[in-house]
Amino acid sequence: KQEVTQIPAALSVPEGENLVLNCSFTDSAIYNLQWFRQDPGKGLTSLLLIQSSQREQTSGRLNASLDKSSGRSTLYIAASQPGDSATYLCAVRRGGGADGLTFGKGTHLIIQP
Amino acid sequence: GAVVSQHPSWVICKSGTSVKIECRSLDFQATTMFWYRQFPKQSLMLMATSNEGSKATYEQGVEKDKFLINHASLTLSTLTVTSAHPEDSSFYICSASGTGGETQYFGPGTRLLVL
Repeated sequence: KQEVTQIPAALSVPEGENLVLNCSFTDSAIYNLQWFRQDPGKGLTSLLLIQSSQREQTSGRLNASLDKSSGRSTLYIAASQPGDSATYLCAVRRGGGADGLTFGKGTHLIIQP
Repeated sequence: GAVVSQHPSWVICKSGTSVKIECRSLDFQATTMFWYRQFPKQSLMLMATSNEGSKATYEQGVEKDKFLINHASLTLSTLTVTSAHPEDSSFYICSASGTGGETQYFGPGTRLLVL
């Protein structure tokens, strides 16, 4: 059974710092990996999706990498801002189509102004 | 981008009543819809997967007679929590994917509180 672990569980840093969030998964046979943002009491916002054949994806200040063979992904946030404060979730998908996602518990991020 | 809505956004009900949650894909046809549940400080857990016009597939440990899922059209899936109890209080969120199946688009979620 796939298990997804996110480290750290919580992180508080001053504004402007670059930071790295980590995600690991136990079964490397994945279809893709996705990073989400969840604001308190809200749904999910998709940030980046990396297909199993890809090594990284970038969107603005965000960069996600994937090392499928070692079961790891990192989310890099450059020049953090208070608006980046949220819970960041990592999720893997076993297959396409009818396969759901397996989520980690998330990293609760606070960016101090 | 693709938009998924959920209704209601929150609901409070008495123990023993049934609650229906709707999930709609607003601008695309969702061949597959997924239902997840999130307890406080826990990860989202997949409950079931439904394909339009067929019975839902439930994850291990999820009672299909308690959580009724209907996916009668390509834009609507419903989750009915039957005879709800306080332990069913949770955040329920749906997602939908189109014919390509590459990306799941998530709804805003429904917070259920059973008294």
